[in-house]
Amino acid sequence: GQQLNQSPQSMFIQEGEDVSMNCTSSSIFNTWLWYKQDPGEGPVLLIALYKAGELTSNGRLTAQFGITRKDSFLNISASIPSDVGIYFCAGQLMASYDKVIFGPGTSLSVIP
Amino acid sequence: GAVVSQHPSWVICKSGTSVKIECRSLDFQATTMFWYRQFPKQSLMLMATSNEGSKATYEQGVEKDKFLINHASLTLSTLTVTSAHPEDSSFYICSARDPYRERGTQHFGDGTRLSIL
Repeated sequence: GQQLNQSPQSMFIQEGEDVSMNCTSSSIFNTWLWYKQDPGEGPVLLIALYKAGELTSNGRLTAQFGITRKDSFLNISASIPSDVGIYFCAGQLMASYDKVIFGPGTSLSVIP
Repeated sequence: GAVVSQHPSWVICKSGTSVKIECRSLDFQATTMFWYRQFPKQSLMLMATSNEGSKATYEQGVEKDKFLINHASLTLSTLTVTSAHPEDSSFYICSARDPYRERGTQHFGDGTRLSIL
């Protein structure tokens, strides 16, 4: 079935540093989504991308929908301790009503 | 913003017990809800898609007789884990789609931690 690859698997950074993580797929996705999950909670949507090439920001977060429709990246600028968590990329193959397929996640740790 | 509520948030029960988990959309009507399972340090794996008024669609490898899904109203879907065993212990998360807002983006509940002894 469809599979998403996320890198890096984990990262440890100093507070204030910028972070970059990316997601790739062998399939073309119609929608790319980025979620953050804190321990014991459900994932929270950070950014949704609907068009190839689209670049969208949400505060210190910026994400882009790759031109090939097979990849996406998420950048976090000036990281803070509350950025700690698991970041999942996710995609929808068809329209926005389709099921969401999740990547394996990137674990982010921020050292104060 | 859209809110999805799950109940209970955690449950511990004996092997062989059936457990029901509720997923409610609090401020919108969800024609479609999704059920996921997440094992420790792993990603969310879709179990089934729940459509209001019709049978759920299960992903490959998910036993429909083991995981009963009912979506009787536009704001409530339930997942029943029948005759649960220790290997069913996991974090179960639902999501609901608001078809009239934010391009039908899915909103997730806070999950239910199920522990089978």
